[in-house]
Parts: sequence; structure tokens; C-alpha cells
Amino acid sequence: DIVMTQSPDSLAVSLGERATINCKSSQSVLYSSKNKNYLAWYQQKPGQPPKLLIYWASTRESGVPDRFSGSGSGTDFTLTISSLQAEDVAVYYCQQYYSTPPYTFGQGTKLEIK
Amino acid sequence: QVQLQESGPGLVKPSETLSLTCTVSGGSISTYYWSWIRQPPGKGLEWIGYIYYSGTTNYNPSLKSRVTMSVDTSKTQFSLKLNSVTAADTAVYYCARHSDGYTPFNYWGQGTLVTVSS
Repeated sequence: DIVMTQSPDSLAVSLGERATINCKSSQSVLYSSKNKNYLAWYQQKPGQPPKLLIYWASTRESGVPDRFSGSGSGTDFTLTISSLQAEDVAVYYCQQYYSTPPYTFGQGTKLEIK
Repeated sequence: QVQLQESGPGLVKPSETLSLTCTVSGGSISTYYWSWIRQPPGKGLEWIGYIYYSGTTNYNPSLKSRVTMSVDTSKTQFSLKLNSVTAADTAVYYCARHSDGYTPFNYWGQGTLVTVSS
């Protein structure tokens, strides 16, 4: 299985400041022939299902605000929120869909307001 | 707009079988992949397996011996059975849609809490 490890486990950022969450995979999730990283980011608010934010490591899902961006390739990835808003308080998960079975998720990063 | 809704018993006894159904509305069940994902209270996400509309399945090896999935295209439903449950199977169970076996989950149900307890 590909193990996904996120850092940090929790993060407190002031409103309007930048938030950065990291995700590392135990093996590359880059499909070289397609030049695509099979990596997604989800946001989960309390009592709600996860919501897809980013796929192919850097493509925003329709309707996702442009303050959310994804970057990275191979085994190291980053989710950045450029200017934190109150509604961004949530747990964020990365997920690989390169190698299945099984699809695997990171352990989650809890983002709070400082 | 595609909507997914999980249904089934909220309480299952240890050693018995957990059975859930996901009903899809607002879209076709055909040509898509349909997954089950669970989340123990306060913990992270675990993919259980998927079923293609044709009936092809792919299960998480860690659960494979206990999982069966099926699909009923006429009812736009797909189902999960997990047998020999223990307290460790207590979780919120989500159904989700993806476009193929190598794409993320872009539609999710609201989830249903299943508690395993006598």
C-alpha cells in the first residue's frame, strides 16, 4: 500500500494569513507517461462528508475558491490557502489514486484560527 | 445535481452482518464507479472498495475477506455487506462516486453512522 503522511497534524493560522499543509507519499504517484500526479485534496467540516478541492495535485475542482492551490510532484505535495477565511476551518486530507487497491488517505490536518 | 444517500441499520450486533444501501438520484449509475469509504469516530478515512455499474468490484485487501458489494442499476442503488463485524467496524460509512478507477471521489453521500454493539 502507498502510505500518505501529512504534516503538521494540526495548524493554527490567523485570519488573512497563509496556511500550508504538506503531504508525502511512500512512493511516487506521478504517472510519467501522462505527466499527471494522482493526488487529491479534500476538505471536511464537522458533521459533513469530505469535499473534493484539488485533483491531479494542482487542478481546482469547479466552484473551489482560488485561494486554494495545490502543488508538488512525485512524492511531495502541498496544499496552500493563500488568505485564510473563517469558513476554511476544517480537517484537510490528501489521497492517492495512483495505486489501487487500495486508495489511501493521509491522516488529516486540522486547521484552526489563531 | 447528483445526490447520494446512504441507508441501513444504525446498530449492528457483534459477529453479525452490516448491510447498507446507497441510492443515487439526479444522475445515471451507469459508466461510473461507486465506492464505500468509512471513518471511525474522530479518526481518518478508509476506503472499503468500489463497484462498477457492470458489477466489477475491487476491495481493500484489509477487508476483502468480509466485504461484498452489489449494484442494482434498475433502482440506481448499490450496496455494501460487511460480515463478522466487531466494535472496530463502528464508523460513519460514506458512499461516493468517481469517474473511473484512477480518479478521485467527486460526489459523496452525507454518511451514516453504524455502531457495532450488543
